[in-house]
Amino acid sequence: DADVTQTPRNRITKTGKRIMLECSQTKGHDRMYWYRQDPGLGLRLIYYSFDVKDINKGEISDGYSVSRQAQAKFSLSLESAIPNQTALYFCATSDWRGLAGQETQYFGPGTRLLVL
Amino acid sequence: GENVEQHPSTLSVQEGDSAVIKCTYSDSASNYFPWYKQELGKRPQLIIDIRSNVGEKKDQRIAVTLNKTAKHFSLHITETQPEDSAVYFCAASMNTGFQKLVFGTGTRLLVSP
Repeated sequence: DADVTQTPRNRITKTGKRIMLECSQTKGHDRMYWYRQDPGLGLRLIYYSFDVKDINKGEISDGYSVSRQAQAKFSLSLESAIPNQTALYFCATSDWRGLAGQETQYFGPGTRLLVL
Repeated sequence: GENVEQHPSTLSVQEGDSAVIKCTYSDSASNYFPWYKQELGKRPQLIIDIRSNVGEKKDQRIAVTLNKTAKHFSLHITETQPEDSAVYFCAASMNTGFQKLVFGTGTRLLVSP
């Protein structure tokens, strides 16, 4: 879905470095999410945001922080990267449709991160 | 919190056969169950979903069934084709005013010609 974009698509960094992954969307959705995907573990929620003033921790937020700069932009930061943060990271968006918790999530193309 | 288990982790079928993937969830408050398909190197995409007030939903060759009593739901793919080969994820979400999807660990489906 080209309406949700992520940059960079691939990144190699070293232990201890601070990096930022960016997500932008043109769908006009108010809700944005960051997930991490590891082989055999599925997708796990890191942070989610309902609007620019609302940010919430997911199940694996330790070592990560986020910033919702605008409705269309949601950034994920690794303050001090470590090797076990090597993973595929996905941003997603969804839109309130009047059915609480039942809206479709649209994923970005993913960022493959390698921490050496 | 919610926990979603998914089986099998891999599934190999011949083209034209049916495939069934099963998920169980732990929290009886969950009321929304989507299925996502992720092709190799691509992003997950929603293929079908079901809400707790419905027992079965069908869309062409795919169908999902939900058993609220047993807390499990399944994805059924009939007349499988090679392009069905992908990783399939189930997920569950509660009606809490926002969506926090808890995903299963995925099933890699391989359809051989």
